[in-house]
Amino acid sequence: AQTVTQSQPEMSVQEAETVTLSCTYDTSESDYYLFWYKQPPSRQMILVIRQEAYKQQNATENRFSVNFQKAAKSFSLKISDSQLGDAAMYFCARPGGSQGNLIFGKGTKLSVKP
Amino acid sequence: KAGVTQTPRYLIKTRGQQVTLSCSPISGHRSVSWYQQTPGQGLQFLFEYFSETQRNKGNFPGRFSGRQFSNSRSEMNVSTLELGDSALYLCASSFQTGKGDEAFFGQGTRLTVV
Repeated sequence: AQTVTQSQPEMSVQEAETVTLSCTYDTSESDYYLFWYKQPPSRQMILVIRQEAYKQQNATENRFSVNFQKAAKSFSLKISDSQLGDAAMYFCARPGGSQGNLIFGKGTKLSVKP
Repeated sequence: KAGVTQTPRYLIKTRGQQVTLSCSPISGHRSVSWYQQTPGQGLQFLFEYFSETQRNKGNFPGRFSGRQFSNSRSEMNVSTLELGDSALYLCASSFQTGKGDEAFFGQGTRLTVV
């Protein structure tokens, strides 16, 4: 079964500090995409960052970056200089076997302390 | 550019009733996917429509159905509602759903079955 595992149900970080959210996945494909989505209390999921597996370089979007370890099937999200607005549920996801289907992890609830 | 719009935002129904949820995708997007989000099961894929055709379906009973219109707007229907159908239903649209395409999500419809 294709699974995505987030082992940290909750995380907390001090404002301006750095936090890393973990994600591991299962796949038999050699080329694939991985995503991190953010879901704030407003409920609207927003794409944070995307990584294509064949690209060696880790994706970066401003304060957000990933540590992609293909052999280990690990895809962690690092948030630098955390801000209060970063408080949300974060979901790791990858496409399922069919188009239009994303498989999500259970999510990590991130709290940011002022 | 308008985002994905889901209506209604909140809904309360009685067991045994049926319900129809609506999703208007971003203009130009032809793919619409539906997800069910619950605290216990997380985010689960329901089905995906592309150019008025259901391309993929998740592992849900036949009480869950959907359709897509020529303007790409989509509806999902749940018949004979059960208490366990209480959930946040999310709709996502994307342009082509190549597996790397970003999915844009609506704010969801919160369905409560009593």
